[in-house]
Amino acid sequence: DAGVIQSPRHEVTEMGQEVTLRCKPISGHNSLFWYRQTMMRGLELLIYFNNNVPIDDSGMPEDRFSAKMPNASFSTLKIQPSEPRDSAVYFCASSLAVRDRGYEQYFGPGTRLTVT
Amino acid sequence: GNSVTQMEGPVTLSEEAFLTINCTYTATGYPSLFWYVQYPGEGLQLLLKATKADDKGSNKGFEATYRKETTSFHLEKGSVQVSDSAVYFCALSRYNTDKLIFGTGTRLQVFP
Repeated sequence: DAGVIQSPRHEVTEMGQEVTLRCKPISGHNSLFWYRQTMMRGLELLIYFNNNVPIDDSGMPEDRFSAKMPNASFSTLKIQPSEPRDSAVYFCASSLAVRDRGYEQYFGPGTRLTVT
Repeated sequence: GNSVTQMEGPVTLSEEAFLTINCTYTATGYPSLFWYVQYPGEGLQLLLKATKADDKGSNKGFEATYRKETTSFHLEKGSVQVSDSAVYFCALSRYNTDKLIFGTGTRLQVFP
């Protein structure tokens, strides 16, 4: 299995520009998560989807952030307009939610975003 | 509410030393417990898990036992290697939900 795929791996952009991060979950998984990791705030859950439906977006920092999951094999996280404080590593993770199994998540390699 | 507390790092050890990283949790019901590891420049990888009380998860020489009476899931390894240097995250998931609750992570540095 290819694992969770994220693109791009690195993104450098100027303040005010739109940024789109992409994620392809593991085939057959039915839950998808977007996280942000910084030195100051650690690992934060931004939003997660189950069966392509957003379940909890309480971690999305503000309206500049939006996420979509148009089908089971693709998701995007968009920041518009971007700001320097959005600089972080953004991780996508997927899992197969199976009752009584314990829901381990599988993480992608991350996208390192730098906003100048 | 549900939460995970880990010992503060960094933990600095010499090669072949014994490792313990403490993790305690607060949760309603019967959560599943996990340890994830993050090597420099990489995403988090599942290291081991336990889904019920007294279960022991193990992988790559690491072990952790689900202790309901002390609400703990401490990570141990008998002899660490330089290649074990990484950040270790303890996490829980409540029964029948998707979200993982992560601890703040503990950085382990192993020197030769």
